Amino acid sequence: EVDLVESGGDLVQPGGSLRLSCAASGFIFGNYWMSWVRQPPGRGLEWVANIRHDGGEKYYVDSVKGRFTISRDNAKNSLHLQMNSLRVEDTAVYYCGQGGDYDSPVDSWGQGTLVTVSS
Amino acid sequence: QSVLTQPPSVSAAPGQNVTISCSGSSSNIGNNYVSWYQQLPGTAPKLLIYDNHKRISGIPDRFSGSKSGTSATLGITGLQTGDEADYYCGTWDSSLSAGVFGGGTKLTVL
Repeated sequence: EVDLVESGGDLVQPGGSLRLSCAASGFIFGNYWMSWVRQPPGRGLEWVANIRHDGGEKYYVDSVKGRFTISRDNAKNSLHLQMNSLRVEDTAVYYCGQGGDYDSPVDSWGQGTLVTVSS
Repeated sequence: QSVLTQPPSVSAAPGQNVTISCSGSSSNIGNNYVSWYQQLPGTAPKLLIYDNHKRISGIPDRFSGSKSGTSATLGITGLQTGDEADYYCGTWDSSLSAGVFGGGTKLTVL
């Protein structure tokens, strides 16, 4: 059974940094694209970024380009999201997802980790 | 403002049928597969439908998906109170080189 466990969410001031992690188990991690999707409080889903199984391709939503970096460690079955220059509008629950490339959906989702950007 | 357009809410009585629309463009729905997700209150989203119309294992055939041109539709028949949730469509946008979701539709089973 696929299990995705996010961690690293916290309260941070505007302009600050945070690194999210996602521990994956129950599937061959190195064979899958992985994604980050966020959901601001009381609002809808927003796709954030994804990364190819070998890390060779990465895509980002325009609003985070240049500030966020997605990465993965296939040896440790882990996915990361380094978030710099955080803004109030980055406040959201961040979900880690298995899959999510050009022609496949996010198959499985973690429980999410809350990032709050506030002074 | 979401790239994909969904109605904010739909409602119907138990046992009735509903459809939820998802409208996009040639750069997203028109040329890529559509998926549908269900988010029950207080929980993470769950994949229901992928490749426009294929149900995930374990999803009852009361749920169906279809696509025509630049629009997609999620259908739910024989509504149950347990179907009350937010529903999102999603796909890839080839022009943006990014994933996109609809704004979500809140289903109320009266």
